[in-house]
Amino acid sequence: GAVVSQHPSWVICKSGTSVKIECRSLDFQATTMFWYRQFPKQSLMLMATSNEGSKATYEQGVEKDKFLINHASLTLSTLTVTSAHPEDSSFYICSARSDYEQYFGPGTRLTVT
Amino acid sequence: AQKVTQAQTEISVVEKEDVTLDCVYETRDTTYYLFWYKQPPSGELVFLIRRNSFDEQNEISGRYSWNFQKSTSSFNFTITASQVVDSAVYFCALSGYSSASKIIFGSGTRLSIRP
Repeated sequence: GAVVSQHPSWVICKSGTSVKIECRSLDFQATTMFWYRQFPKQSLMLMATSNEGSKATYEQGVEKDKFLINHASLTLSTLTVTSAHPEDSSFYICSARSDYEQYFGPGTRLTVT
Repeated sequence: AQKVTQAQTEISVVEKEDVTLDCVYETRDTTYYLFWYKQPPSGELVFLIRRNSFDEQNEISGRYSWNFQKSTSSFNFTITASQVVDSAVYFCALSGYSSASKIIFGSGTRLSIRP
């Protein structure tokens, strides 16, 4: 099946700094990519939907100025957590859609100290 | 609005027992997809099944089987002869039919299989 990669797989950063997470579709072109966040022992909550070349659509309650999403090409989307705080510590999972199939990345574990 | 409910937060059974994970969904769409995913401790989601709303046939894959009942808006998942390796969190999910539709997840059921 199609492969979606995320980089890094885990990251530790200091409070107040920004961190960028990359999501790549390795063997297909993804017109739409999704970013999810999962806190410990909770479900995956959709943060935003991004389409290549256009602005991301954020879910209610997600701060678009804090979670910057760039879908620069059909194979790459990035999520930047700006001015990270400990409460942003979470597991971030991206998903890429090709036609009617959706594939999930392995996730990025962010810890903000 | 779309919603997926997994009422069972945690289930613990002894190995070789059969176990059923319940899933109830709500949607106003007439066409939609239903999914089950497994999330082991590593965190990576493992795709198990996608079911089209047009197709109410039950599906069996090895020890796994799925019962889709449109009349009760349920999509239950049964593991037969459970094994320790089945221990994980299982998510039921729902999406619309269009290529831009997003997948909405239930709260998950943590399944523990005791040896």
